[in-house]
Amino acid sequence: KQEVTQIPAALSVPEGENLVLNCSFTDSAIYNLQWFRQDPGKGLTSLLLIQSSQREQTSGRLNASLDKSSGRSTLYIAASQPGDSATYLCAVSKNFNKFYFGSGTKLNVKP
Amino acid sequence: GAVVSQHPSWVICKSGTSVKIECRSLDFQATTMFWYRQFPKQSLMLMATSNEGSKATYEQGVEKDKFLINHASLTLSTLTVTSAHPEDSSFYICSATRGDSNSPLHFGNGTRLTVT
Repeated sequence: KQEVTQIPAALSVPEGENLVLNCSFTDSAIYNLQWFRQDPGKGLTSLLLIQSSQREQTSGRLNASLDKSSGRSTLYIAASQPGDSATYLCAVSKNFNKFYFGSGTKLNVKP
Repeated sequence: GAVVSQHPSWVICKSGTSVKIECRSLDFQATTMFWYRQFPKQSLMLMATSNEGSKATYEQGVEKDKFLINHASLTLSTLTVTSAHPEDSSFYICSATRGDSNSPLHFGNGTRLTVT
């Protein structure tokens, strides 16, 4: 069974810092990997989707990388802002009917 | 971008009553929809997967007679919590996908259910 681990569980940084969130998965046979953010009491917002054939995706200050062979993905946030404070989750898909989620990294960006 | 609408955003009901939660994909056809439950400070727990026109596939430990899922069209899935009890109080979230590797998973904003 696919297991997804996110480290660290929580992270607090001052505004302006660049930071990296980590996601690892045990089964490298995936179709895609997706990063989400979740604000308290809300659903999940899709940030980036990386296909299994891709190595990275970028959107604004966010950059996600994927190393399938080692079962790792990172989410890089540049020049962090207080508005980036949220819980970030990664999910991997082995087929279109199954998504496995990590437990998330709770990010706090201090003004 | 793709939008998934979930309604209601919160509901309070009395023990023993049933509650229906709707999940709609507003601008795409969702071949597959998922229902999750989330406990405070925990990640998502998949309850069931529903494909349009067929019976939902429930995860182990989820009572299919208690959590009724209907996916009658490509844009609508419903979750009905039957004979709700206080332990059913939780945050329920739906998600939807077109069902190919290029399609992201899109989430509704969740429904906070409180059973008194």
